[in-house]
Amino acid sequence: DQQVKQNSPSLSVQEGRISILNCDYTNSMFDYFLWYKKYPAEGPTFLISISSIKDKNEDGRFTVFLNKSAKHLSLHIVPSQPGDSAVYFCAASGRTGGFKTIFGAGTRLFVKA
Amino acid sequence: DAGVIQSPRHEVTEMGQEVTLRCKPISGHNSLFWYRQTMMRGLELLIYFNNNVPIDDSGMPEDRFSAKMPNASFSTLKIQPSEPRDSAVYFCASSWEREGGEAFFGQGTRLTVV
Repeated sequence: DQQVKQNSPSLSVQEGRISILNCDYTNSMFDYFLWYKKYPAEGPTFLISISSIKDKNEDGRFTVFLNKSAKHLSLHIVPSQPGDSAVYFCAASGRTGGFKTIFGAGTRLFVKA
Repeated sequence: DAGVIQSPRHEVTEMGQEVTLRCKPISGHNSLFWYRQTMMRGLELLIYFNNNVPIDDSGMPEDRFSAKMPNASFSTLKIQPSEPRDSAVYFCASSWEREGGEAFFGQGTRLTVV
């Protein structure tokens, strides 16, 4: 039972363009949603998060949008840079789950120079 | 702080052998997670400790897997006996339990069972 789903295994984008990574979830009890970035041979690192009471959070080139009615969130990277090439994991957590964090399967982003 | 420290970084073992993975969380964090990364399933949560107590082990695949956290600064994940299908990268992460608190991951242990 995958509570957090990332249906696109990979995405290729030209440098300077927008990258949009999508994520869907099934559990309406999640309180927070997070995005992590992972480079090869390293552990995932936190990128940006959003509370379920908000619909947008922005941090520099990264913006996360949350659509609660659709149980959907997305990460926008503008402009995309070659250094953004990595695997991006969507994650969700909630008080009812004891704050455990559930991850999606990840989307590999390729930013072409 | 050096971050979350996992050992070993790589482990190659023969099927049937016991494997022990180790983790030192960030000092002061009260939650610890063990995840397994595979191509098919991404990052699977295996077990979650809070204040050294296992809270949720529903992700542990089967009885061959066990995890302990004897104190706030150390945890182990043991597989006995190991099987080739256990081959994966195993991550340990720690966090301070709070709403929206992000987890900090170690560099992972790449396990290969031959």
